[in-house]
Amino acid sequence: AQSVTQPDIHITVSEGASLELRCNYSYGATPYLFWYVQSPGQGLQLLLKYFSGDTLVQGIKGFEAEFKRSQSSFNLRKPSVHWSDAAEYFCAVGTSNNAGNMLTFGGGTRLMVKP
Amino acid sequence: DAGVTQSPTHLIKTRGQQVTLRCSPKSGHDTVSWYQQALGQGPQFIFQYYEEEERQRGNFPDRFSGHQFPNYSSELNVNALLLGDSALYLCASSLGPIAGPSTDTQYFGPGTRLTVL
Repeated sequence: AQSVTQPDIHITVSEGASLELRCNYSYGATPYLFWYVQSPGQGLQLLLKYFSGDTLVQGIKGFEAEFKRSQSSFNLRKPSVHWSDAAEYFCAVGTSNNAGNMLTFGGGTRLMVKP
Repeated sequence: DAGVTQSPTHLIKTRGQQVTLRCSPKSGHDTVSWYQQALGQGPQFIFQYYEEEERQRGNFPDRFSGHQFPNYSSELNVNALLLGDSALYLCASSLGPIAGPSTDTQYFGPGTRLTVL
């Protein structure tokens, strides 16, 4: 069965600093990987996704993520964090078959941004 | 273009009661998935509906059931509510299995916050 681990429960960065959120997955086949962001009391917004091809994926709001098969990782990065980036971030692995796509999520990383 | 909508926004029930949550998918989507997100945790997959049938199911008891209507909207029903059912229930819609993995991306609604007392 697939699983996702986000080792950092909380991260605090200063506004303007760079950011990296870690994600490790376990899945027997080629993974379909996603990063979602959730603001307080809101649903999930898709930041980016990886299905195949280029291992560096660009997303919305200036985020990018790199798929590293050898490390089973899909870390999310942003070169300069803005105060509005404070939120909860979830990494997910998708299993897509004839029955459709089911997502397995990590526990999330809460990002706080210092002024 | 309306996104995924869910109703109600909040709901308070007591143990043993039954609850129905509703979801309308994004325009053009025919597949609906439901997730439970307990406080401080990531969402957990409950089940997925396509062509009015349950196609996949996560590790949830039979107290959790669902339905999909011909217009692709969906309901989640939970019977005999327990305190542990208190959570944010998220609905996600997608193009479904025909779309293929590169386009079969799930888009989430704002959720229904269920509190069981």
